[in-house]
Amino acid sequence: GQNIDQPTEMTATEGAIVQINCTYQTSGFNGLFWYQQHAGEAPTFLSYNVLDGLEEKGRFSSFLSRSKGYSYLLLKELQMKDSASYLCAVFDSNYQLIWGAGTKLIIKP
Amino acid sequence: TAGITQAPTSQILAAGRSMTLRCTQDMRHNAMYWYRQDLGLGLRLIHYSNTAGTTGKGEVPDGYSVSRANTDDFPLTLASAVPSQTSVYFCASSEPGTGGGYTFGSGTRLTVV
Repeated sequence: GQNIDQPTEMTATEGAIVQINCTYQTSGFNGLFWYQQHAGEAPTFLSYNVLDGLEEKGRFSSFLSRSKGYSYLLLKELQMKDSASYLCAVFDSNYQLIWGAGTKLIIKP
Repeated sequence: TAGITQAPTSQILAAGRSMTLRCTQDMRHNAMYWYRQDLGLGLRLIHYSNTAGTTGKGEVPDGYSVSRANTDDFPLTLASAVPSQTSVYFCASSEPGTGGGYTFGSGTRLTVV
């Protein structure tokens, strides 16, 4: 079966750095997404990786290793507004999007 | 503002009743999707449509039906609601096979009692 694993919950301090990991086992791979979802709201697109390496967008970076079935989302200079759930999702061989359950990130002052 | 509109925002529905969740997009995306999101589980695909006039079953289609008469609208119908269909429902759209990501509506919170 297809599976995406990410930690259920993480806690970090305002101003610090946090890395949220995602491992996947899917039938084929056509790209990996990270989404942010604040409580009670819709998911919003953060990043897309299809090749190995690091993609940087301001305070957020996303890394992909296809050979290891592994990605991480790195958040720097954490702000209170970064408290949210972070969802990892993979396009399989049929371009169906397979979703992880999400990582709830709690930021403490 | 371009995007996806879902209605209603929330609803309490008696078991056995039918209901249609509405979804309209103005981005002219070909593909549209219905997901349900339950605590502790990832988004689960109910039905999808790659283009107007076609639909397909997702991971959890039982008890739900959809139609795609035109590009903009993708309603989801529960023919006879059951308590296990209590969930938050998200409609989304995209251009298939691209890295542009999915755009989501704001969701419908449905409680079946």
